[in-house]
Amino acid sequence: QSVLTQPPSVSGAPGQRVTISCTGGSSNIGAGYDVHWYQHLPGTAPKLLIYGNTNRPSGVPDRFSGSKSGTSASLAITGLRAEDEADYYCQSFDSSPTAWVFGGGTKLTVL
Amino acid sequence: EVQLLESGGGLVQPGGSRSLSCAASGFTFSSSDMGWVRQAPGKGLEWVSALSGNSYYIYYADSVKGRFTIFRDNSRNTLYLQMNSLRADDTAVYYCAKLVGAPRRQQFDSWGQGTLVTVSS
Repeated sequence: QSVLTQPPSVSGAPGQRVTISCTGGSSNIGAGYDVHWYQHLPGTAPKLLIYGNTNRPSGVPDRFSGSKSGTSASLAITGLRAEDEADYYCQSFDSSPTAWVFGGGTKLTVL
Repeated sequence: EVQLLESGGGLVQPGGSRSLSCAASGFTFSSSDMGWVRQAPGKGLEWVSALSGNSYYIYYADSVKGRFTIFRDNSRNTLYLQMNSLRADDTAVYYCAKLVGAPRRQQFDSWGQGTLVTVSS
């Protein structure tokens, strides 16, 4: 069982908008630690998608955006494309005990 | 360009040991915090261990504490993970990853392709 909770799956049609939630607790997201998001295609290296709750690394399209409030965070993807089909993970830091923690992952299906 | 290349994966018997390496290039390795993250078959990403650039700070997930040892050789730009007393639930692809950001706000900004460790008799 992951420290951060994500829905196992989400889906959307091309061009639509989807959101993926990430819920933590008082020792991680709720303690003020940043949330980061990764995109992972099977057999490849995970890719940093959003860092520091809302920031996009160079090269990540602005169709991807992140937000954080209280003990939760969200990843939004607009203008869905077939190439967005992948697994998405949130990650934060937990102080009890000291650990980098991931969500269980969300599989995005583009219909 | 940052490159991380893991090696050392393979088949190992329960109770056995395995050592993983991660050769780094394209950045100042000695000043970069590094970590290992694994993914068991059909499961999500799980953080395993991390250490600071000078090896002063070292952290382990509870699931591997006392069995795994992370260390680095900055003269060789290489990160290691020594795994002892391996169990079936340690079977996973092990990724080497570079950490960036302020302490306790860090993210993994570069990842290797991973190396598969299978624990089975």
